[in-house]
Amino acid sequence: DQQVKQNSPSLSVQEGRISILNCDYTNSMFDYFLWYKKYPAEGPTFLISISSIKDKNEDGRFTVFLNKSAKHLSLHIVPSQPGDSAVYFCAALDPNFGNEKLTFGTGTRLTIIP
Amino acid sequence: ETGVTQSPTHLIKTRGQQVTLRCSSQSGHNTVSWYQQALGQGPQFIFQYYREEENGRGNFPPRFSGLQFPNYSSELNVNALELDDSALYLCASSLKGGAYNDQFFGPGTRLTVL
Repeated sequence: DQQVKQNSPSLSVQEGRISILNCDYTNSMFDYFLWYKKYPAEGPTFLISISSIKDKNEDGRFTVFLNKSAKHLSLHIVPSQPGDSAVYFCAALDPNFGNEKLTFGTGTRLTIIP
Repeated sequence: ETGVTQSPTHLIKTRGQQVTLRCSSQSGHNTVSWYQQALGQGPQFIFQYYREEENGRGNFPPRFSGLQFPNYSSELNVNALELDDSALYLCASSLKGGAYNDQFFGPGTRLTVL
């Protein structure tokens, strides 16, 4: 039962352009969403998050949008830089468990083309 | 402030054997969560330890067990290894009741079961 889905396994974007990574979820009880970035041989690192009471959160080049009615969120990176090449995971927090159990999507490998 | 460390980096076992993986949590953190990331998948929650006790478990059989020590470091033990246990095992430390995005991951242990 995949409660968090990232349907694009990979994405290639030209340097300087916008990268848009998508994520869908099925559990309407999820109330907090996070994006993690993972380089090879490293653990996931937190990138940006959004609470279910908001529809947008921005941090520098990174913006996350949440559409609760569609159970969809997206991560926008603009402008994209070569160092953004990594695997990006969408994750959701289970309110029944507290603030530590993360439910992850399968990830999207982003490649920025110089 | 030291980050999350895991040992060993990688190891190879044969089916039926037992394995112990280790995790040192970030300074100031008192909770450790373990995740399994199979190839091409997102991390899946195994269990969490807080105050040396299991504090929630994902959909993993009892042959996956753990320990947390007074210094908050943790072990993941897997008995009767199966081929499907081959994966990257990640641990993450956090502070109970802390910020939602304050969960830091180690680099992982790559386990191969032959």
